[in-house]
Amino acid sequence: DTAVSQTPKYLVTQMGNDKSIKCEQNLGHDTMYWYKQDSKKFLKIMFSYNNKELIINETVPNRFSPKSPDKAHLNLHINSLELGDSAVYFCASSPGTGSHNEQFFGPGTRLTVL
Amino acid sequence: AQSVTQLDSQVPVFEEAPVELRCNYSSSVSVYLFWYVQYPNQGLQLLLKYLSGSTLVKGINGFEAEFNKSQTSFHLRKPSVHISDTAEYFCAANGNAGGTSYGKLTFGQGTILTVHP
Repeated sequence: DTAVSQTPKYLVTQMGNDKSIKCEQNLGHDTMYWYKQDSKKFLKIMFSYNNKELIINETVPNRFSPKSPDKAHLNLHINSLELGDSAVYFCASSPGTGSHNEQFFGPGTRLTVL
Repeated sequence: AQSVTQLDSQVPVFEEAPVELRCNYSSSVSVYLFWYVQYPNQGLQLLLKYLSGSTLVKGINGFEAEFNKSQTSFHLRKPSVHISDTAEYFCAANGNAGGTSYGKLTFGQGTILTVHP
């Protein structure tokens, strides 16, 4: 069984469109994250939710809006897509917010904005 | 703010040779260190982690890492690599430098390990 799953795996879209990426974890974890991996493979955290509450919000454009309907799901909605949004987006989860916790990553969603 | 530096962007080695992938972190009040591996077109998988205790940490697939507080390093090693170890390796730190980090992992730039036959 997949622990952290993301859909879609690939997303190709035009500039200006709005798109969503979905993430689900079946590990019973309380905390979920979104990371962006750019073309140079650099990984940076974007958001984190703990029990549906936003706890980390890095300096991300407000075109990006995460939503957590329950603690097993964390979706990412992106408005007015720009070329620079092209990247691989990874969802992750962990048992809690403690720094010692291992984070479990999904397979990634490769977003290409044309 | 926490920072992690991986000193080598690419490391080519021959099969069955030993390998070391270097990682340095900025010092913090307390720090937890992780190594993740990313195979092509896949997500990240945890290899090993240092939380406390013994400075030599053993992980999956025969990898180990040594935490060195005085040198602020956490280098990853394997005595004999296999073709299947070809992947990108990420060092990451999660620390509390005066406040709650809330699990905010800081990643290094990644090291591509290529194992040649």
